Amino acid sequence: EAGVAQSPRYKIIEKRQSVAFWCNPISGHATLYWYQQILGQGPKLLIQFQNNGVVDDSQLPKDRFSAERLKGVDSTLKIQPAKLEDSAVYLCASSSGLADPRETQYFGPGTRLLVL
Amino acid sequence: GEDVEQSLFLSVREGDSSVINCTYTDSSSTYLYWYKQEPGAGLQLLTYIFSNMDMKQDQRLTVLLNKKDKHLSLRIADTQTGDSAIYFCAGWDSSASKIIFGSGTRLSIRP
Repeated sequence: EAGVAQSPRYKIIEKRQSVAFWCNPISGHATLYWYQQILGQGPKLLIQFQNNGVVDDSQLPKDRFSAERLKGVDSTLKIQPAKLEDSAVYLCASSSGLADPRETQYFGPGTRLLVL
Repeated sequence: GEDVEQSLFLSVREGDSSVINCTYTDSSSTYLYWYKQEPGAGLQLLTYIFSNMDMKQDQRLTVLLNKKDKHLSLRIADTQTGDSAIYFCAGWDSSASKIIFGSGTRLSIRP
């Protein structure tokens, strides 16, 4: 079974530029998560999708971040314009069912973003 | 909501046991987790414990839960070089229906 795929793996941009990340979850997984992991910290949930609907985006800075999951499969996360403090690893994860503590989340390798 | 804290670094000798500690704040957390992150990789769920358990053992891994002190630990027996990684303690925040992660403990292995 293929794991969660993310691209690109690395991205360097200048502040005020825009950037987009792509995630393809495990086939058949209904729930998709985007996390931000700043260096030295644990992952912080940005947004959670159930199929193509948003379940939780309370921690997403909506003035600059946007995400979509068209057709309930793959997803893109966009930052426009980027700030220095957006430098982090952006992790995508998926799970098979509803947000449930017993559901295992499977993580992709992440996209490492550096904003100069 | 849930808040999770853990020490940043741990260094152990190869073959010894490693004990990684964690404290959490939400006494209503029903599930507590340990994740492993190797360099350049995403997180991998190692094990979890339900709040009505005090201990869970899975091969070289032993999880101890002290609900009174809100303290969770992960013991890795016979630590090997492949165990070098960052270990994240996490708890289920039932009010927000999401997992809250600690900052991670970097485990390094000495020969």
